[in-house]
Amino acid sequence: DIQMTQSPSSLSASVGDRVTITCRASQSISDYLNWYQQKPGKAPKLLISSASSLQGGVPSRFSGSGSGTDFTLTISSLQPEDFATYFCQQSWTTPITFGQGTRLEVK
Amino acid sequence: EDQLVESGGGLVQPGGSLRLSCAASGFTVSSNYMSWVRRAPGKGLEWVSLIYRVGTTFYADSVKGRFVISRDNSNNTLFLQMNSLRAEDTAVYYCARGPYASGSYPSAFDIWGQGTMVTVSS
Repeated sequence: DIQMTQSPSSLSASVGDRVTITCRASQSISDYLNWYQQKPGKAPKLLISSASSLQGGVPSRFSGSGSGTDFTLTISSLQPEDFATYFCQQSWTTPITFGQGTRLEVK
Repeated sequence: EDQLVESGGGLVQPGGSLRLSCAASGFTVSSNYMSWVRRAPGKGLEWVSLIYRVGTTFYADSVKGRFVISRDNSNNTLFLQMNSLRAEDTAVYYCARGPYASGSYPSAFDIWGQGTMVTVSS
């Protein structure tokens, strides 16, 4: 199975901050890496697919990069609605696996 | 608008069974890869099961032999039959379109239902 390791597991930041979350795969997954945002009591929301493709309706302050085993999600200027938990996920092969999540909290 | 609506969750005793349903609208379930994903309290997201367009099915090791994914093409609905339930199966269960590309859809879980809570407890 491909292990997905996110860091950090939690992060405290302020509105306006630039934030970067990293995700590392245990083997190469090309660009089959997706990022999700989940808020309490809500379903996950797809932000970025194929490592860097921003989904429709997602603000441009979100961006993704990477290929192979190392990936990053960057929020260029945090907004109040961005405080949530973020997950990476690989679609390279079954079993599909997620990172353990990064909880982004208000400092 | 593409949409998924789950139902069927609830409280069940250990060893019991439950059947979850996921009604789709705006797109055809049988023309897409469809999955179930769960999130246990205090834990992260865990992929549970996947059904291919051709009907091939896959399962996480944690549910293999106990859960069965299926679909009703005439009613555009996805199902998850859960048997021999354990306390560790307690979670919110989501159906989702994906995780592989189909037509213009990305290789990701791009549409999610609202989730249905399954609690396994005596």
